[in-house]
Amino acid sequence: GQNIDQPTEMTATEGAIVQINCTYQTSGFNGLFWYQQHAGEAPTFLSYNVLDGLEEKGRFSSFLSRSKGYSYLLLKELQMKDSASYLCAVRDSNYQLIWGAGTKLIIKP
Amino acid sequence: IAGITQAPTSQILAAGRRMTLRCTQDMRHNAMYWYRQDLGLGLRLIHYSNTAGTTGKGEVPDGYSVSRANTDDFPLTLASAVPSQTSVYFCATSREANTEAFFGQGTRLTVV
Repeated sequence: GQNIDQPTEMTATEGAIVQINCTYQTSGFNGLFWYQQHAGEAPTFLSYNVLDGLEEKGRFSSFLSRSKGYSYLLLKELQMKDSASYLCAVRDSNYQLIWGAGTKLIIKP
Repeated sequence: IAGITQAPTSQILAAGRRMTLRCTQDMRHNAMYWYRQDLGLGLRLIHYSNTAGTTGKGEVPDGYSVSRANTDDFPLTLASAVPSQTSVYFCATSREANTEAFFGQGTRLTVV
């Protein structure tokens, strides 16, 4: 079966750095996405990786290792507004997105 | 305002009733999707359409149907609602099947 694993919840301090991991087992791979979802709102696109390595976008970076079935989202200089759920999704061989359950990130002052 | 509009925002529905959730986009995206999101579970694909005139079944299609008569609209119909269909439903679009998805604001549906 297809599976995306992420930690359920993480806590970090304002101004710090946090890394959210995602491991996947899917039938085929056509890219990995990270989305942010604030409580009661829709998911919004953060990043996309299809080749191995690091993609940097401002305070957020995303890393992919296809051979390990592994990705992480790195958030720097954490702000209170970063409190949200972070969703990892993999596009499989049929180009359908398989979603993890999300990681709830709690930022403390 | 460009984007994806879902209606209604929320609904309480009696079991056994028929209900259509509406989704309209003005982004001219080819692909559209319906997901449900339940606590502790990832988004699960119900149905999708890669282009107007075509539809496909996702991971959890039973009890739901869709149509895609044109590019902009992708309604989701529950023929006879059951309590297990209580969920938050998200419509999403992508320019093509292999590009990032954009989400509507969601419909919170409670079946009692």
